[in-house]
Order: sequence, then structure tokens, then C-alpha cells
Amino acid sequence: AQSVTQPDIHITVSEGASLELRCNYSYGATPYLFWYVQSPGQGLQLLLKYFSGDTLVQGIKGFEAEFKRSQSSFNLRKPSVHWSDAAEYFCAVASGGSYIPTFGRGTSLIVHP
Amino acid sequence: SQTIHQWPATLVQPVGSPLSLECTVEGTSNPNLYWYRQAAGRGLQLLFYSVGIGQISSEVPQNLSASRPQDRQFILSSKKLLLSDSGFYLCAWSVAGRDGYTFGSGTRLTVV
Repeated sequence: AQSVTQPDIHITVSEGASLELRCNYSYGATPYLFWYVQSPGQGLQLLLKYFSGDTLVQGIKGFEAEFKRSQSSFNLRKPSVHWSDAAEYFCAVASGGSYIPTFGRGTSLIVHP
Repeated sequence: SQTIHQWPATLVQPVGSPLSLECTVEGTSNPNLYWYRQAAGRGLQLLFYSVGIGQISSEVPQNLSASRPQDRQFILSSKKLLLSDSGFYLCAWSVAGRDGYTFGSGTRLTVV
């Protein structure tokens, strides 16, 4: 069965600093990987996705993520965080066939001015 | 353009009362539809999904049910709510699952 681990429950960064949110997955084959962002009281918005090709993928809002098969990781990065990036971030993994993703428990990003 | 509507945004219901949450999708045909529940401080739990009219798959046994009476309509129901049903309910749709989901804005349900 597929699973996703986001080891950091909370991350605090200063505005303008770089950001990396960690995601590790467990799945036998090459997975389909996603990052979503959720603002308070809202639904989730897709930031980026990976299923083949270049292992460094670009998303919306200046985010990028890198797929590392050897580490079973798909970490999300942003070179300079803005106060509006404060939100909950979810990593998700899906397999071929049903493509129904399994979500991690989320990482809450706090941005200090 | 493709949009998803979910209502109501917030709901406070007494224990033992019925529930009906509705989700509709516009701008696409034959979408896969999903209901998730998000408890405070936890991830998303898949409750139901549907690949077509009248086709419902349940992931978690509970006192909730789902129906899909029309191609782009997905309803979450309960005959008698429990306190443990409180949470944030999210509807989502996809056409090609590997492209990811589009989520609705959610319903905050509080059972008192």
C-alpha cells in the first residue's frame, strides 16, 4: 500500500528566506506525486505534480519540487517566501489505475515578518 | 471554465439530525467525484468516490452515505449525525487522476 510521510508538522520561516518542505513516500513503482496548498477555511489548490520526465518540476506561485527516487522523496522548495505563503501544505502520492491519492498529514507554514 | 460548487459553507447540526451536503461541477463531463473529511490537525480521509452516475465506492464504514443522481452532482448524507461527524468536508473532482484534483471550498460541519 502507498503511504506518505510529512515529518514536519510546523515550519516557521522569516519572510524572504528560503523554504523546503519534506515529503517521503512509500510505493513500489514510480508514483504520481502532488503538492497541494490549503489556506485557512478553504479547499486545497494544486501547486504542482510529477509523474514522469524531468525530476525537477515547476509549479504555481514560484514553488518547485524535486523527485528523488533513491531517497523516495518529493520535497517542495521556494527560494524566497512571502507572507501570503502561510498555509497548510499537503503532499500526496497516487498509483496508476485508480489514481486515487493518499495524502500526508500536512505541514503548517508560518511566516514571520 | 471548470468550476466546483460546494454548499453550505458552514453548518451546525444537533446530534441525531439528518445531513445533506451537495457538490456540483461545471464545465466538464463524466468527472470522477470524491468526498473527503478533514479533522482538525489531521490529513484528508477519503470517504467516498464515484466514477459515474449511481456508482459509489465507500472507503470507510460509518453512518454516512453518498449518492450521485446526476453526472455532475455528488451528495453526502446521513440519517442521524454523531458528534464524531464534525469536521471539514471537501468535495473534489478529476478527469484524469494523474492530473490531480480540483477541490471545492469545503463545508465546516459542527455537530452539537
